[in-house]
Amino acid sequence: GDSVTQTEGPVTVSESESLIINCTYSATSIAYPNLFWYVRYPGEGLQLLLKVITAGQKGSSRGFEATYNKETTSFHLQKASVQESDSAVYYCALGRNSNNRIFFGDGTQLVVKP
Amino acid sequence: NTKITQSPRYLILGRANKSLECEQHLGHNAMYWYKQSAEKPPELMFLYNLKQLIRNETVPSRFIPECPDSSKLLLHISAVDPEDSAVYFCASSHGTVNNQAPLFGEGTRLSVL
Repeated sequence: GDSVTQTEGPVTVSESESLIINCTYSATSIAYPNLFWYVRYPGEGLQLLLKVITAGQKGSSRGFEATYNKETTSFHLQKASVQESDSAVYYCALGRNSNNRIFFGDGTQLVVKP
Repeated sequence: NTKITQSPRYLILGRANKSLECEQHLGHNAMYWYKQSAEKPPELMFLYNLKQLIRNETVPSRFIPECPDSSKLLLHISAVDPEDSAVYFCASSHGTVNNQAPLFGEGTRLSVL
């Protein structure tokens, strides 16, 4: 079946440091799934951070970037300089084009220290 | 995301019956219920498209969804169990194909005593 594996949290970094949260996926019955990053800030609901539907493309939002790499089946989330307000739980997710079912990874809690 | 509203936001129950409500003002045709238990990712429970239930995951029969119109989604829960303690997210998308990324509401946090 489809699955998503991401960096186990919590990940703690200091403000202005760089960040990478790893995500790899397995999609057994589809060659090119849609890939997403969702974020959940404390006390809030899930928000779509970015999505990429074409292999080889990069998505970006709020200073975060992720590149869809079909060779390594990866979709790592990166940011050059984090802020304390980036503290949240980040979910890598995989979706099918045909039925819009979204598979979420276990989530990675990010703690940014001032 | 204030365009998808859920009520109530917090719910504490004994073994009672209750309904969760969700409404979206985005003109979306597809609506979803997701359950997120502590330390776990969100898991799809139900999906409606154009008011028709098209995916019914393996959830206990005490959970009954209802979609009275394309902008509103309900989740009726009868005789809740402690394992039902979780955050229930409503989500919606334009449709169910063509790379839709569901938008989520803020969730209803259910605590079962």
